Amino acid sequence: KQEVTQIPAALSVPEGENLVLNCSFTDSAIYNLQWFRQDPGKGLTSLLLIQSSQREQTSGRLNASLDKSSGRSTLYIAASQPGDSATYLCAVTTGGSARQLTFGSGTQLTVLP
Amino acid sequence: EAGVAQSPRYKIIEKRQSVAFWCNPISGHATLYWYQQILGQGPKLLIQFQNNGVVDDSQLPKDRFSAERLKGVDSTLKIQPAKLEDSAVYLCASSSGTGLVYEQYFGPGTRLTVT
Repeated sequence: KQEVTQIPAALSVPEGENLVLNCSFTDSAIYNLQWFRQDPGKGLTSLLLIQSSQREQTSGRLNASLDKSSGRSTLYIAASQPGDSATYLCAVTTGGSARQLTFGSGTQLTVLP
Repeated sequence: EAGVAQSPRYKIIEKRQSVAFWCNPISGHATLYWYQQILGQGPKLLIQFQNNGVVDDSQLPKDRFSAERLKGVDSTLKIQPAKLEDSAVYLCASSSGTGLVYEQYFGPGTRLTVT
C-alpha cells in the first residue's frame, strides 16, 4: 500500500527566505507526483505536476524535483512571501486503469512579514 | 472551461441526522472522485466512479455512507446517520482519464460540522 509522508508538518520562516518542503513515498511505481496548495477552508490548487519520466518542473518561484528511485520529491520556494502562507500537499498517482491519488498530510507554511 | 462545482459549501448538522452533498464535474470528465479530508490530514479517497460505475469504494463506510452518479455526470454523496467523527471537508474531483498526463481537478469542497 502506497504511503506518502511530508516533513516538516509545519514551518515558519521570515519573508524573503528560500525554503524546501519534503515529500517521500514508499512505492516507486507511480505515474506522476503533484504538489498542491490549500488555503484555509478552500479546495486544492494544483501547483506542479511531474511525470514519472521527468526530474523536475518549474513554475515562477516554485521548483519541484522528483527522484523516483529513492521515493522522494522536494518543493523549493524561492524568495518566500506572506502570500505563500498555506498548506502544501504532495500526492502521487498510482494504479492501473483506475488511477488514484495518495496524499501526504501536508506542510503548513507560515511566511512572516 | 468551468471547474468542478460543489454544494453546499458549508453544512452544520446534529449527530444522527442525514446530509447530502452534490458535485458537478468538469464537462466530459468520465472519472469522478469523492475525498474526505479531516482537519490536519491529507484527503482520503472514499469512492471513485468511471462514468456511472463504481471503480473503488473500499474506503467508504458503507454502513452510513452512500454515493451515486446518475447518467455518468453529477454525483451525490450521502451520510446517514452522521457521527461526530464525520466532521471534515468533503472534496469532489474529476479527471478525463485519458492521455499521458493524468491530472485530477478539485472542487472547492463542502465543510461538514457534526455537533
